[in-house]
Amino acid sequence: AAGVIQSPRHLIKEKRETATLKCYPIPRHDTVYWYQQGPGQDPQFLISFYEKMQSDKGSIPDRFSAQQFSDYHSELNMSSLELGDSALYFCASSLRTGGSGANVLTFGAGSRLTVL
Amino acid sequence: DAKTTQPPSMDCAEGRAANLPCNHSTISGNEYVYWYRQIHSQGPQYIIHGLKNNETNEMASLIITEDRKSSTLILPHATLRDTAVYYCIVRVYSGGGADGLTFGKGTHLIIQP
Repeated sequence: AAGVIQSPRHLIKEKRETATLKCYPIPRHDTVYWYQQGPGQDPQFLISFYEKMQSDKGSIPDRFSAQQFSDYHSELNMSSLELGDSALYFCASSLRTGGSGANVLTFGAGSRLTVL
Repeated sequence: DAKTTQPPSMDCAEGRAANLPCNHSTISGNEYVYWYRQIHSQGPQYIIHGLKNNETNEMASLIITEDRKSSTLILPHATLRDTAVYYCIVRVYSGGGADGLTFGKGTHLIIQP
């Protein structure tokens, strides 16, 4: 079965550079979520989109932005990168109309960002 | 969302049942209990969820107490690949579900050979 696809899997950037992560949700899933997981930390919710509109916002820095496109894929844009942005970034998707299963998120394998 | 409390770590012998507890004493009537796990550096993985009845799927069983203030995730025959951090999350189903799940401090389950 198709899973959530994230790219790139690994990314190395310098401080103050910009990075873009991409996420392709499971086909027919209408909701995308972004999470950040620093070393030794639990996943932290950043932002979610439903039908291309921002749905919920967590602890996403102002330097970060995201959007969901007409084909439901999503991109997380990170600017003015800082050392502390080094983390695993997970994308997840779900089907909002799936009853209590709407909270059943399928996660991708993650994108590891290293800021030097 | 109601707060959950889990032990920080547990050990279990391979082949035995692993029983992971979760306390959610402030759970409200419309909140579900969800379990996820995260194997090292992989994306979190959904395991099971329930409202008030016990649930079972191919991965695990979920036992929710009658007062719904606590639950237990049971992995019936633990294997080394079950070593992971297990998260218990209480969440209302509002008809939306597009709000982000909050991962708190889960239980690091270590399966011993």
